[in-house]
Amino acid sequence: EAGVTQFPSHSVIEKGQTVTLRCDPISGHDNLYWYRRVMGKEIKFLLHFVKESKQDESGMPNNRFLAERTGGTYSTLKVQPAELEDSGVYFCASSQGWGSQETQYFGPGTRLLVL
Amino acid sequence: DAKTTQPPSMDCAEGRAANLPCNHSTISGNEYVYWYRQIHSQGPQYIIHGLKNNETNEMASLIITEDRKSSTLILPHATLRDTAVYYCIARNNNDMRFGAGTRLTVKP
Repeated sequence: EAGVTQFPSHSVIEKGQTVTLRCDPISGHDNLYWYRRVMGKEIKFLLHFVKESKQDESGMPNNRFLAERTGGTYSTLKVQPAELEDSGVYFCASSQGWGSQETQYFGPGTRLLVL
Repeated sequence: DAKTTQPPSMDCAEGRAANLPCNHSTISGNEYVYWYRQIHSQGPQYIIHGLKNNETNEMASLIITEDRKSSTLILPHATLRDTAVYYCIARNNNDMRFGAGTRLTVKP
């Protein structure tokens, strides 16, 4: 069974540009999460989808970040316009159910560098 | 989620058991204890989780004290590939709250 996949693995863009990150969850997992680690900080939750609906987006830093999950399969996270402080590693995770007893499985991450 | 406290770093000799402690003194009754690790720059890898009882799987064992205020992750025979940052998370929500973790270095 394939794990969570993310694309691209790395992205280098200039300040002000737009970047779109993609996450494909484990097949059959209705729950999809985005996290990120910015330089020197801890991994932080961004948002949670249940199928195509946003269940919790309390961790989204500002309105430059837009996450979508049309059709309830893969998800995209767009940063527009990117700022220097957006540099970091963006992780996606998925789980079959939701709740504290449901294990989340993480992808390898996308490393974003904004110059 | 309850706050967890872990030592910043630990060393372990290859082939020996690695015992990683975690304090979660404010844990509530419905919070699970999860352990993940991150090897180099890879994504967090799930290891094990538990609520009250001790748990064991092919990767590790999780020992939770009776009062649930602390736990220990045990890697029974550490290898060089187990060198990683290990995160203990007390979780009662959908999101995972990662702390700084323990950097475990397995030495030959």
